[in-house]
Amino acid sequence: DVKVTQSSRYLVKRTGEKVFLECVQDMDHENMFWYRQDPGLGLRLIYFSYDVKMKEKGDIPEGYSVSREKKERFSLILESASTNQTSMYLCASSLGRQVLGAETQYFGPGTRLLVL
Amino acid sequence: GENVEQHPSTLSVQEGDSAVIKCTYSDSASNYFPWYKQELGKRPQLIIDIRSNVGEKKDQRIAVTLNKTAKHFSLHITETQPEDSAVYFCAAIYTGGGNKLTFGTGTQLKVEL
Repeated sequence: DVKVTQSSRYLVKRTGEKVFLECVQDMDHENMFWYRQDPGLGLRLIYFSYDVKMKEKGDIPEGYSVSREKKERFSLILESASTNQTSMYLCASSLGRQVLGAETQYFGPGTRLLVL
Repeated sequence: GENVEQHPSTLSVQEGDSAVIKCTYSDSASNYFPWYKQELGKRPQLIIDIRSNVGEKKDQRIAVTLNKTAKHFSLHITETQPEDSAVYFCAAIYTGGGNKLTFGTGTQLKVEL
């Protein structure tokens, strides 16, 4: 059973702080993703990674960066948190190899971030 | 890039009735269309998917249909139950270009007793 974990369920930070959100998957998945979820806007992709040390911008990368030093871990970094980054952040992973079912994304429980 | 539109944003049905959620996509190359269900306070989970080489797929009370010509696909839930209450997301992807899904904005389904 695939397990995707996130470092915090709830986080409160001050404007201007540097924020780290960590995601770990235990199924040797190649692909990892960071989304933010806001009411009425669905799941919007921030960044994704197909391999270690590899990253690609998603649809809303501004204000965020990522790091993938190890295959199982994908970190989202808010360099200088702002109030408009208050949101639910969801990490996901998928197998990534060209086999049936490789596209299925498995989500973490989410981190609800409040920036004051 | 791909754009996925989803309707309605909210849907309320009586227990036992059917529910239909519709999505349209823009990229004719998209060939894989999953549906995710997110219960309150929980993570999204895949409930059913369809590939472009089939027009319909069923799994017990849920089914998905795909019309490639019109570029739309739909989720059908029959004999709805209270545990079907959740937010449902459709998504689309061209699997030959990687595994980056584009999600719809979600439908809040409420099944009333």
